[in-house]
Formats: sequence, C-alpha cells, structure tokens
Amino acid sequence: ETGVTQSPTHLIKTRGQQVTLRCSSQSGHNTVSWYQQALGQGPQFIFQYYREEENGRGNFPPRFSGLQFPNYSSELNVNALELDDSALYLCASMLSPLRTDTQYFGPGTRLTVL
Amino acid sequence: GIQVEQSPPDLILQEGANSTLRCNFSDSVNNLQWFHQNPWGQLINLFYIPSGTKQNGRLSATTVATERYSLLYISSSQTTDSGVYFCAVGAQKLVFGQGTRLTINP
Repeated sequence: ETGVTQSPTHLIKTRGQQVTLRCSSQSGHNTVSWYQQALGQGPQFIFQYYREEENGRGNFPPRFSGLQFPNYSSELNVNALELDDSALYLCASMLSPLRTDTQYFGPGTRLTVL
Repeated sequence: GIQVEQSPPDLILQEGANSTLRCNFSDSVNNLQWFHQNPWGQLINLFYIPSGTKQNGRLSATTVATERYSLLYISSSQTTDSGVYFCAVGAQKLVFGQGTRLTINP
C-alpha cells in the first residue's frame, strides 16, 4: 500500500510569486484535503477535493486554489504569495468523505516566502 | 465552529515516566484522531477514536464523547516519544487543537 506523498519537500519563493504544491493520495483513496500549519500552531483546513470537485473550503482567500486529477492526485496553487503564507502545507487523503474515517497525512511541503 | 483545546501546552519528563494528555472539544463529534508530529513535520496517526478506549503498545487513548474529552496515555516514555501531539475532530474537515509539546529527557 502506497502512502501519501508530497512534492517538493521544501520551497523558497518571493512575495508576489505563484507556487504549486503536489500530493498523491494513498492507494484506493478518492478524497484529498489540504492544510496549512504555521509555526507553533495546529494545522488549519484549506479545502477538500472529492472526485475532482471542491468539497468544502476553510477560511482562506480565493488566491488559494486547487485541482484534483482523475487518478485522485491533487495540486494546491497559491497566487500572489504573501509573507504570512510561509508555513508547512500538509495533504491528507481518506477513503471517502461520505463516511467518518481516518485521514492519512503526507510528509508536507515547507514553503518559505521572502 | 467547533473548538478544540489541548492541555498541557508543554510537558517535560524523564525517560520512563508516564504522561496523560488531554483534549477537550466544544461540540459532539463522530470522529476524533490523535497524531504525533515528528521533528520533520510528518503527522503520524496514533488513534482513530470517536468513543471508547484503544491501546497500542505503550500508548492508549480514551474518548468520552458525552463529556466531550479525550485522553492520550503514554507509559514508560522513551526519548523517541518526544514531539508534538495533536488531537483533531471532525469528519470531512479536521479541526486541530494547538498541540501538546512533549519532551522526554534521557
């Protein structure tokens, strides 16, 4: 069974740039969620994708957007980067949002915005 | 929305000690998970425990859903247990507490 993978591991960008982060879900999982974890805080829910459609969104501005592909992998795009976007970005996958179940997390992408 | 509070925020113990971490939540839930975040940032699943008690080696967890709290017990702590422990509640969207930073000294 393949776990959740994310790329890249680390990324450094400058303010105003755009970034794309990638996530491959665990084998058999059709639902991917993205979380942002600022230093010293718990992760915060950004949005979830289920069968290629957005299925819920947290309190994040529209410059945070995403995609899910037919193989259930996902991308998180952030436009017009701000200094406060520096954080660990975590992706999680689960079997289905239609049942309460365990979410499994990837190793994260650490984004630094200068 | 639902609020999740964890206590204590920090815990420093000697190797071999036992510890209890607490998670309070503000509303009824049908999903609660405990995670250990290692120094590299990876969240490791410990327990999926919306109610009842589960044990896995030196770790065990109890959730009393009617009283809106969960406890994580770590017995005979080892230095590798160090890190931040999070509880999270919710179904589609997980709401995390602020975590408990556990430091186990040799």
